[in-house]
Amino acid sequence: AQTVTQSQPEMSVQEAETVTLSCTYDTSENNYYLFWYKQPPSRQMILVIRQEAYKQQNATENRFSVNFQKAAKSFSLKISDSQLGDTAMYFCAFFNAGGTSYGKLTFGQGTILTVHP
Amino acid sequence: NAGVMQNPRHLVRRRGQEARLRCSPMKGHSHVYWYRQLPEEGLKFMVYLQKENIIDESGMPKERFSAEFPKEGPSILRIQQVVRGDSAAYFCASSPSDSGRTNTQYFGPGTRLTVL
Repeated sequence: AQTVTQSQPEMSVQEAETVTLSCTYDTSENNYYLFWYKQPPSRQMILVIRQEAYKQQNATENRFSVNFQKAAKSFSLKISDSQLGDTAMYFCAFFNAGGTSYGKLTFGQGTILTVHP
Repeated sequence: NAGVMQNPRHLVRRRGQEARLRCSPMKGHSHVYWYRQLPEEGLKFMVYLQKENIIDESGMPKERFSAEFPKEGPSILRIQQVVRGDSAAYFCASSPSDSGRTNTQYFGPGTRLTVL
């Protein structure tokens, strides 16, 4: 079974600064995908970024980028030029693209990010 | 293109009553997933359905919980004889039919179930 660990329960950052959220995972699979989702106070789950395990290039979406270290099973999220609207709970998630657990996302415990003005 | 729709957004039930949660996937999506989020926790997978088929229900309690995704209409998550421990946010997600893209799941706004 896969596990996803987010070791930072809470983080804070000043507006316009950069912050990095950590995520590690454990799997014996080779074909998988990793995601970061954001859950603001509205509780809506919003997809932030996605990474295919077979791609060496780190995914980037505007101010959001990842540092994917496959050998270390690490998948951190970097938010540049932080904005007040980035305040939310951030979840790292793992998707096994093959095998019997295909179809389910495994989530970490979440990191609460607060952006201060 | 409307996103994933869930209703109701908030549901209050007394112990022993039934709760029915509805989910309409995004247009063109035929894969539906249900997750439960307890307070201060991450989301936990419950069940994965395609039209008229349950693909994986390994995360769903064996008793009192059931899910369906009929040929016509929304997916339904049904909880019979609710207990206080069922109080949680229930999220539905959907993904496209194309196998190359089915790994990205898009979430609805969730249903907050409160059991009194």
